[in-house]
Amino acid sequence: SYELTQPPSVSVSPGQTARITCSGDALPKQYAYWYQQKPGQAPVLVIYKDTERPSGIPERFSGSSSGTTVTLTISGVQAEDEADYYCQSADSSGSYVVFGGGTKLTVL
Amino acid sequence: EVQLVESGGGLVQPGGSLRLSCAASGFTFSSYWMHWVRQAPGKGLVWVSRINSAGSSTTYADSVKGRFTISRDNAKNTLYLQMNSLRAEDTAVYYCARNTGGDGTYPNFDYWGQGTLVTVSS
Repeated sequence: SYELTQPPSVSVSPGQTARITCSGDALPKQYAYWYQQKPGQAPVLVIYKDTERPSGIPERFSGSSSGTTVTLTISGVQAEDEADYYCQSADSSGSYVVFGGGTKLTVL
Repeated sequence: EVQLVESGGGLVQPGGSLRLSCAASGFTFSSYWMHWVRQAPGKGLVWVSRINSAGSSTTYADSVKGRFTISRDNAKNTLYLQMNSLRAEDTAVYYCARNTGGDGTYPNFDYWGQGTLVTVSS
């Protein structure tokens, strides 16, 4: 079955830039999406279609794509950005939805 | 305001059944594909199933195929997940989620419910 691979954890100091990667063979064909989830809360969509930011999401959140890897970048990380981040896409047929394993972002 | 409210979770024995509901409001429910996503305690998000806006087409993750059935009642603005032959590994918070933009061309989720906990244990 199709898989998306994320690093389990990323740590940054406040004000620095955090980059979270997600790799998958079908990413050149399928868009990627990113969700932020804080403890006890439902996920929130922060990036859609690789690079687009929903209304209400701070400009410090951005997405990029290169081949089989997509990247979520958080510039000027704030304490409130500490959360789990999940990438999501679909298999090459578009029929099955897949999430990455999640990355815990720690703000030191 | 878009709202998704799940209900029906609880404790069930292995092999048992449970039906989850997701009441939708604040948008034209019949125009949107809908999904169920689950999250085991302390674990990541896992997609479970999706249904098209008319209820005529469904897709399931391999882990639940043949055991779970997704359905909807557009007149009642409600999404369902019938879960049969439950196993310990089905223990999770189950979220209903709306597909961004309505149709399923680009599967992703712009609104989520608060989740309902299903515990499968003897």
